[in-house]
Amino acid sequence: AQSVTQLGSHVSVSEGALVLLRCNYSSSVPPYLFWYVQYPNQGLQLLLKYTTGATLVKGINGFEAEFKKSETSFHLTKPSAHMSDAAEYFCAVISDSNYQLIWGAGTKLIIKP
Amino acid sequence: NAGVTQTPKFQVLKTGQSMTLQCAQDMNHNSMYWYRQDPGMGLRLIYYSASEGTTDKGEVPNGYNVSRLNKREFSLRLESAAPSQTSVYFCASTRQGAYEQYFGPGTRLTVT
Repeated sequence: AQSVTQLGSHVSVSEGALVLLRCNYSSSVPPYLFWYVQYPNQGLQLLLKYTTGATLVKGINGFEAEFKKSETSFHLTKPSAHMSDAAEYFCAVISDSNYQLIWGAGTKLIIKP
Repeated sequence: NAGVTQTPKFQVLKTGQSMTLQCAQDMNHNSMYWYRQDPGMGLRLIYYSASEGTTDKGEVPNGYNVSRLNKREFSLRLESAAPSQTSVYFCASTRQGAYEQYFGPGTRLTVT
């Protein structure tokens, strides 16, 4: 079955440090990939998406992600973490069969002052 | 432009009670979705509606029913609530031809 794996349920970084959140997916067709962010007690908000074309995708709030087909990965990065980035981040891929989103379990990003 | 709205924000039910969660979107989107979110499990799709007049089961439909009342509204009904249905419920919508989903603020449901 298709799946999305996010490595690390919690990731802790210092303010100003690099943020790296990992996402690996399975898909039998060229994937459509998404990152969403969820701030405490809120709904999910689209950060960025990859459909076709350039493999480095820029999103909101200074985040970007790179699609690497050979590694089946779509890792999310931000050069310098800010306290306001503390949230839970979800990676998702479109299902090959019914075109619904398949979600990773989420990674909670903790920012240390 | 409110986007996706959900009511209520919080609800406490006793086992066996019924309730309906309401969702509405004002973006003229064709598709609508109901998810539940439980710690460590990401989002799981309960039901979705690809267009007005159609509904389909998702990954975890047991114990739930849905109604696509019109293009704007998609409701989720729990006929006989169980403690296992304690969760946060999210409604989402997508415009035709796109895959990115827009989410409501959620309903936090506790069943005792």
